[in-house]
Amino acid sequence: DADVTQTPRNRITKTGKRIMLECSQTKGHDRMYWYRQDPGLGLRLIYYSFDVKDINKGEISDGYSVSRQAQAKFSLSLESAIPNQTALYFCATSDPTEGGDGYTFGSGTRLTVV
Amino acid sequence: AQSVAQPEDQVNVAEGNPLTVKCTYSVSGNPYLFWYVQYPNRGLQFLLKYITGDNLVKGSYGFEAEFNKSQTSFHLKKPSALVSDSALYFCAVRDITGGSYIPTFGRGTSLIVHP
Repeated sequence: DADVTQTPRNRITKTGKRIMLECSQTKGHDRMYWYRQDPGLGLRLIYYSFDVKDINKGEISDGYSVSRQAQAKFSLSLESAIPNQTALYFCATSDPTEGGDGYTFGSGTRLTVV
Repeated sequence: AQSVAQPEDQVNVAEGNPLTVKCTYSVSGNPYLFWYVQYPNRGLQFLLKYITGDNLVKGSYGFEAEFNKSQTSFHLKKPSALVSDSALYFCAVRDITGGSYIPTFGRGTSLIVHP
């Protein structure tokens, strides 16, 4: 099993719909993150959480919300999807006690908003 | 503030030749530096990191990177490229003495290794 599992892997949704992307990790880490990847723009941080009671906005949080249901679970919601939210979304986890706090990423969710 | 630049969108190299993927960074304090690789339809995978110590860092799949503080660079290198190295490579930096908890990623460099 993967250390970080994202569901669904692919999703096509209509403008205005609410959609949730789910992420779970088996690393036992407290820190979790949501990023979106767009061609030529690299990775941009949407939200991050350093423990179950901690939620922080990233650089592009508008139009998104998150829920940290447990140490292992961190979900991302698009309340009313719009076409420019079409992107590849990644969840990641990290452990600051591992020197440098490197990330473990999920395989991504490819979201298309039509 | 922290930032990272990958000046090349794409690098082309012939199989068997050495490869270099460039990364430069800017931090107010001391950096942690990372390289990640993304294969098609996959998430990013950790390759290597510089925290402290030797400037030459060795990582997975035969890759290495050299931390150069004076040039604020952390270029990724491999002595002999393989076709299977073709992927998207991301450099990331975290300013540890500047109080940053989150790394900044570069825009990525597409490496294409030709047979």
